[in-house]
Amino acid sequence: DTGVSQNPRHKITKRGQNVTFRCDPISEHNRLYWYRQTLGQGPEFLTYFQNEAQLEKSRLLSDRFSAERPKGSFSTLEIQRTEQGDSAMYLCASSLTSNTEAFFGQGTRLTVV
Amino acid sequence: QQQVKQSPQSLIVQKGGISIINCAYENTAFDYFPWYQQFPGKGPALLIAIRPDVSEKKEGRFTISFNKSAKQFSLHIMDSQPGDSATYFCAAIDSGSARQLTFGSGTQLTVLP
Repeated sequence: DTGVSQNPRHKITKRGQNVTFRCDPISEHNRLYWYRQTLGQGPEFLTYFQNEAQLEKSRLLSDRFSAERPKGSFSTLEIQRTEQGDSAMYLCASSLTSNTEAFFGQGTRLTVV
Repeated sequence: QQQVKQSPQSLIVQKGGISIINCAYENTAFDYFPWYQQFPGKGPALLIAIRPDVSEKKEGRFTISFNKSAKQFSLHIMDSQPGDSATYFCAAIDSGSARQLTFGSGTQLTVLP
């Protein structure tokens, strides 16, 4: 399967703990996006990378959130001091260029208890 | 502020019927309008998309109708099948460099056999 891969698929954590998610985009895709989807809603944009550069962050991305894409390949999204409101599906998408289709991974479902 | 408004929230259609989902937008900087299909536990997948200089686009059983002056667009699924049962999201991309997707809130479609 050469699609966008996200790990883990599910994560249950206690409030206050740190969590990290990984996204492996489709090979040679320069753009990588992170979205958050809560139950019954559409995905909301968090941030995106052009190669290794993080070029834009949504106001949804509080200072507890940090994303990296070292070497322009895989990306990680870390949430520090998790809160119950962070419970959501975190989706990663990649595209070859800014004007081509974005392909989504299956997401990481985070539950903060 | 919800930039893309989608209705209905849920839709039940008999097999063979027509499913119609409507969306409206406010941001005139949007220049690309895709529809995504999402099955439970999966990421969204691109179904069909349209640019605002086109009033209609058809791909198989799926048709997008676009009304630029009214800032509205809709998805029609002809000959709806039980396998079409999923959540459908309209989305829009603005002309900025990020090219991130702004999603509607989704329509849960159920096609009865």
